[in-house]
Amino acid sequence: GAVVSQHPSRVICKSGTSVKIECRSLDFQATTMFWYRQFPKKSLMLMATSNEGSKATYEQGVEKDKFLINHASLTLSTLTVTSAQPEDSSFYICSAARRDRANSPLHFGNGTRLTVT
Amino acid sequence: AQKITQTQPGMFVQEKEAVTLDCTYDTSDPSYGLFWYKQPSSGEMIFLIYQGSYDQQNATEGRYSLNFQKARKSANLVISASQLGDSAMYFCAMRLDSGYSTLTFGKGTMLLVSP
Repeated sequence: GAVVSQHPSRVICKSGTSVKIECRSLDFQATTMFWYRQFPKKSLMLMATSNEGSKATYEQGVEKDKFLINHASLTLSTLTVTSAQPEDSSFYICSAARRDRANSPLHFGNGTRLTVT
Repeated sequence: AQKITQTQPGMFVQEKEAVTLDCTYDTSDPSYGLFWYKQPSSGEMIFLIYQGSYDQQNATEGRYSLNFQKARKSANLVISASQLGDSAMYFCAMRLDSGYSTLTFGKGTMLLVSP
């Protein structure tokens, strides 16, 4: 089945540093990738939609200068949390839509647990 | 705008029993897909089952079946013969067929399966 790899799975960083999270579709081309944030025991909240070769579309309330998204190829999207602060600590998860199947389920990465100290 | 409602914050079931997780949705778009995902404590999202809005029959995948009632806009997940490993958060989600849109998630239901 389709696989999405997300790296790293856990990261601990100090306040003020930047953290990059990678999301790769391993066996299919993903025109569109989505980035979510999940607070403990909460649903996934869409942060932004990442389209290959164009600027990401951010949801209302998400700071695009803090959460930089790059989708340089059909198999890779990155989320960079810039100048991370303790309130950015959360679980971040990406998903990818297959280019060739409009109705297929989104395939999720395993998520990244970010802790900012 | 689409909306998914899961009214059960938590459900408790004994092993080998069947359990139904409720999901209702709201959309004015006639073409959409409904999904259920399982999220264990480790965090990954596991796709369980899909139902298209034009599908005539209810979807089934092993022990999972989707009770799709279009007129009521409900898409309940039925897990038969619960197993201890079924303990997890379960999310109902909807996605419009127009373009490669994202999923709109419900708030989730925590399922606990006891021996």
